[in-house]
Amino acid sequence: DTGVSQDPRHKITKRGQNVTFRCDPISEHNRLYWYRQTLGQGPEFLTYFQNEAQLEKSRLLSDRFSAERPKGSFSTLEIQRTEQGDSAMYLCASSSMRVVEELFFGEGSRLTVL
Amino acid sequence: DAKTTQPNSMESNEEEPVHLPCNHSTISGTDYIHWYRQLPSQGPEYVIHGLTSNVNNRMASLAIAEDRKSSTLILHRATLRDAAVYYCIRPPRDDKIIFGKGTRLHILP
Repeated sequence: DTGVSQDPRHKITKRGQNVTFRCDPISEHNRLYWYRQTLGQGPEFLTYFQNEAQLEKSRLLSDRFSAERPKGSFSTLEIQRTEQGDSAMYLCASSSMRVVEELFFGEGSRLTVL
Repeated sequence: DAKTTQPNSMESNEEEPVHLPCNHSTISGTDYIHWYRQLPSQGPEYVIHGLTSNVNNRMASLAIAEDRKSSTLILHRATLRDAAVYYCIRPPRDDKIIFGKGTRLHILP
Protein backbone atom coordinates (compact mmCIF):
# COMPACT_ATOMS: atom_id res chain seq x y z
CA ASP A 1 0.00 0.00 0.00
CA THR A 2 1.59 3.27 -1.06
CA GLY A 3 -0.94 5.61 0.54
CA VAL A 4 -0.63 7.68 3.69
CA SER A 5 -0.67 5.53 6.79
CA GLN A 6 -1.35 6.56 10.36
CA ASP A 7 -0.78 4.75 13.61
CA PRO A 8 -2.51 4.01 15.87
CA ARG A 9 -5.96 4.12 14.35
CA HIS A 10 -7.57 4.42 17.75
CA LYS A 11 -6.22 5.59 21.08
CA ILE A 12 -8.05 5.80 24.38
CA THR A 13 -6.23 7.53 27.18
CA LYS A 14 -6.86 9.11 30.53
CA ARG A 15 -6.74 12.81 31.03
CA GLY A 16 -3.24 13.99 31.80
CA GLN A 17 -1.45 11.29 29.84
CA ASN A 18 0.76 11.92 26.83
CA VAL A 19 -0.03 10.44 23.44
CA THR A 20 1.91 10.24 20.20
CA PHE A 21 0.62 9.66 16.69
CA ARG A 22 2.71 8.66 13.73
CA CYS A 23 2.16 9.44 10.06
CA ASP A 24 3.96 7.87 7.12
CA PRO A 25 3.33 9.95 4.00
CA ILE A 26 3.55 8.90 0.39
CA SER A 27 7.26 8.42 -0.12
CA GLU A 28 7.96 11.07 -2.74
CA HIS A 29 5.83 13.77 -1.10
CA ASN A 30 7.64 16.76 0.37
CA ARG A 31 4.69 18.30 2.15
CA LEU A 32 3.08 16.81 5.22
CA TYR A 33 0.06 18.23 7.02
CA TRP A 34 -1.70 17.55 10.30
CA TYR A 35 -5.37 18.31 10.78
CA ARG A 36 -7.80 17.74 13.61
CA GLN A 37 -11.45 16.95 13.09
CA THR A 38 -14.32 16.84 15.56
CA LEU A 39 -17.80 15.53 14.93
CA GLY A 40 -19.75 17.54 12.40
CA GLN A 41 -16.87 19.84 11.54
CA GLY A 42 -14.48 19.98 8.65
CA PRO A 43 -10.80 19.21 9.21
CA GLU A 44 -9.02 21.98 11.10
CA PHE A 45 -5.47 22.83 10.10
CA LEU A 46 -2.85 22.25 12.79
CA THR A 47 0.58 22.40 11.18
CA TYR A 48 2.55 21.47 8.09
CA PHE A 49 6.06 20.55 7.02
CA GLN A 50 8.04 20.91 3.89
CA ASN A 51 10.63 18.17 4.13
CA GLU A 52 11.87 18.39 7.72
CA ALA A 53 11.05 22.07 8.22
CA GLN A 54 7.89 22.96 10.11
CA LEU A 55 6.63 25.93 8.14
CA GLU A 56 3.55 26.89 10.08
CA LYS A 57 1.74 26.03 13.25
CA SER A 58 -1.86 27.03 13.89
CA ARG A 59 -2.51 29.56 16.62
CA LEU A 60 -5.15 27.14 17.85
CA LEU A 61 -2.44 24.69 18.75
CA SER A 62 -1.45 24.99 22.37
CA ASP A 63 2.04 24.42 23.72
CA ARG A 64 0.97 20.91 24.69
CA PHE A 65 1.07 19.93 21.03
CA SER A 66 4.30 19.30 19.20
CA ALA A 67 5.02 17.82 15.80
CA GLU A 68 8.23 16.65 14.24
CA ARG A 69 9.42 15.33 10.95
CA PRO A 70 13.06 14.61 11.72
CA LYS A 71 14.29 13.19 8.44
CA GLY A 72 11.69 14.61 6.13
CA SER A 73 9.91 11.29 5.93
CA PHE A 74 7.51 10.18 8.69
CA SER A 75 6.08 12.62 11.19
CA THR A 76 4.93 12.39 14.79
CA LEU A 77 2.34 14.47 16.59
CA GLU A 78 2.60 14.44 20.37
CA ILE A 79 0.00 15.74 22.77
CA GLN A 80 1.17 16.23 26.34
CA ARG A 81 -1.10 16.28 29.38
CA THR A 82 -4.16 15.42 27.35
CA GLU A 83 -7.49 17.05 28.10
CA GLN A 84 -10.98 15.88 27.24
CA GLY A 85 -11.20 18.63 24.64
CA ASP A 86 -8.38 16.96 22.73
CA SER A 87 -10.70 14.10 21.80
CA ALA A 88 -10.89 14.18 18.04
CA MET A 89 -9.76 12.53 14.84
CA TYR A 90 -6.21 13.51 13.93
CA LEU A 91 -5.64 13.42 10.20
CA CYS A 92 -2.38 13.42 8.34
CA ALA A 93 -2.03 14.33 4.68
CA SER A 94 0.80 14.67 2.23
CA SER A 95 1.30 16.33 -1.11
CA SER A 96 3.99 16.81 -3.68
CA MET A 97 5.63 20.13 -4.46
CA ARG A 98 4.34 19.83 -7.98
CA VAL A 99 0.66 19.86 -6.98
CA VAL A 100 0.57 21.17 -3.45
CA GLU A 101 -3.20 21.54 -3.44
CA GLU A 102 -3.87 17.85 -3.99
CA LEU A 103 -3.65 16.36 -0.56
CA PHE A 104 -3.66 12.65 0.08
CA PHE A 105 -5.09 11.85 3.48
CA GLY A 106 -4.61 8.92 5.78
CA GLU A 107 -7.53 7.32 7.56
CA GLY A 108 -6.81 9.19 10.74
CA SER A 109 -6.05 8.44 14.36
CA ARG A 110 -9.03 8.73 16.66
CA LEU A 111 -8.21 9.96 20.14
CA THR A 112 -10.57 9.57 23.08
CA VAL A 113 -9.57 11.22 26.34
CA LEU A 114 -11.47 9.95 29.35
CA ASP B 1 -9.04 35.67 2.06
CA ALA B 2 -11.41 33.98 -0.35
CA LYS B 3 -14.34 32.38 1.45
CA THR B 4 -16.59 29.61 0.18
CA THR B 5 -20.25 29.07 1.01
CA GLN B 6 -22.01 25.73 0.64
CA PRO B 7 -25.39 24.38 1.73
CA ASN B 8 -25.18 22.33 4.90
CA SER B 9 -26.88 19.30 3.39
CA MET B 10 -28.51 18.00 0.25
CA GLU B 11 -30.46 14.92 -0.77
CA SER B 12 -30.58 13.11 -4.04
CA ASN B 13 -32.06 9.94 -5.38
CA GLU B 14 -29.83 7.10 -6.40
CA GLU B 15 -28.90 6.98 -10.08
CA GLU B 16 -29.83 10.60 -10.62
CA PRO B 17 -27.44 13.50 -11.23
CA VAL B 18 -26.40 15.66 -8.29
CA HIS B 19 -25.39 19.29 -8.49
CA LEU B 20 -23.50 20.56 -5.46
CA PRO B 21 -23.16 24.35 -5.44
CA CYS B 22 -20.44 26.51 -3.99
CA ASN B 23 -20.17 30.29 -3.85
CA HIS B 24 -16.73 31.87 -3.80
CA SER B 25 -17.48 35.48 -4.67
CA THR B 26 -14.16 36.87 -3.43
CA ILE B 27 -11.91 34.47 -5.27
CA SER B 28 -9.04 36.05 -7.17
CA GLY B 29 -8.44 35.59 -10.86
CA THR B 30 -5.63 33.08 -10.57
CA ASP B 31 -6.99 30.93 -7.75
CA TYR B 32 -8.02 27.37 -8.49
CA ILE B 33 -11.18 25.91 -7.04
CA HIS B 34 -10.79 22.51 -5.42
CA TRP B 35 -13.28 19.95 -4.24
CA TYR B 36 -12.70 17.18 -1.76
CA ARG B 37 -15.08 14.66 -0.30
CA GLN B 38 -15.05 12.67 2.90
CA LEU B 39 -16.72 9.30 3.06
CA PRO B 40 -17.89 8.05 6.46
CA SER B 41 -15.03 7.06 8.75
CA GLN B 42 -12.39 8.01 6.20
CA GLY B 43 -10.06 10.91 5.60
CA PRO B 44 -10.95 13.41 2.87
CA GLU B 45 -10.08 12.57 -0.70
CA TYR B 46 -9.38 14.88 -3.60
CA VAL B 47 -12.15 15.01 -6.21
CA ILE B 48 -11.38 17.67 -8.79
CA HIS B 49 -10.06 21.17 -9.32
CA GLY B 50 -10.36 23.84 -11.96
CA LEU B 51 -9.62 27.46 -12.86
CA THR B 52 -11.95 28.81 -15.52
CA SER B 53 -13.33 26.21 -17.84
CA ASN B 54 -15.33 23.14 -17.00
CA VAL B 55 -13.35 20.10 -15.94
CA ASN B 56 -14.14 16.41 -16.06
CA ASN B 57 -12.54 13.38 -14.52
CA ARG B 58 -13.60 9.87 -13.64
CA MET B 59 -15.19 10.97 -10.38
CA ALA B 60 -17.09 14.11 -11.29
CA SER B 61 -17.40 17.24 -13.38
CA LEU B 62 -16.77 20.77 -12.24
CA ALA B 63 -18.73 23.59 -13.82
CA ILE B 64 -17.31 27.03 -13.10
CA ALA B 65 -19.39 30.13 -13.64
CA GLU B 66 -18.11 32.60 -16.19
CA ASP B 67 -17.56 35.24 -13.50
CA ARG B 68 -15.89 32.58 -11.31
CA LYS B 69 -17.96 33.57 -8.32
CA SER B 70 -19.52 30.16 -8.08
CA SER B 71 -19.01 26.59 -9.15
CA THR B 72 -20.97 23.37 -9.20
CA LEU B 73 -19.71 19.87 -8.61
CA ILE B 74 -21.66 17.44 -10.72
CA LEU B 75 -22.02 13.77 -9.98
CA HIS B 76 -23.60 12.43 -13.11
CA ARG B 77 -25.21 9.35 -11.64
CA ALA B 78 -25.19 9.21 -7.87
CA THR B 79 -24.76 5.91 -6.11
CA LEU B 80 -25.11 5.09 -2.45
CA ARG B 81 -21.33 5.14 -2.20
CA ASP B 82 -21.36 8.83 -3.08
CA ALA B 83 -22.96 9.67 0.26
CA ALA B 84 -20.32 11.86 1.86
CA VAL B 85 -19.43 15.37 2.93
CA TYR B 86 -18.29 17.43 -0.03
CA TYR B 87 -15.92 20.33 0.56
CA CYS B 88 -15.42 23.23 -1.79
CA ILE B 89 -11.98 24.47 -0.86
CA ARG B 90 -10.88 28.04 -0.68
CA PRO B 91 -7.62 28.57 -2.49
CA PRO B 92 -4.53 27.90 -0.42
CA ARG B 93 -3.20 30.74 1.63
CA ASP B 94 0.39 30.18 2.49
CA ASP B 95 -0.08 26.64 1.21
CA LYS B 96 -2.63 25.76 3.89
CA ILE B 97 -5.70 23.99 2.63
CA ILE B 98 -8.57 25.29 4.75
CA PHE B 99 -11.74 23.24 5.02
CA GLY B 100 -15.18 24.58 5.88
CA LYS B 101 -18.09 22.44 7.04
CA GLY B 102 -18.94 21.26 3.55
CA THR B 103 -22.18 19.83 2.22
CA ARG B 104 -23.42 16.53 3.59
CA LEU B 105 -24.89 14.63 0.66
CA HIS B 106 -27.54 12.01 1.40
CA ILE B 107 -28.39 9.51 -1.32
CA LEU B 108 -31.84 7.98 -1.19
CA PRO B 109 -32.20 4.44 -2.55
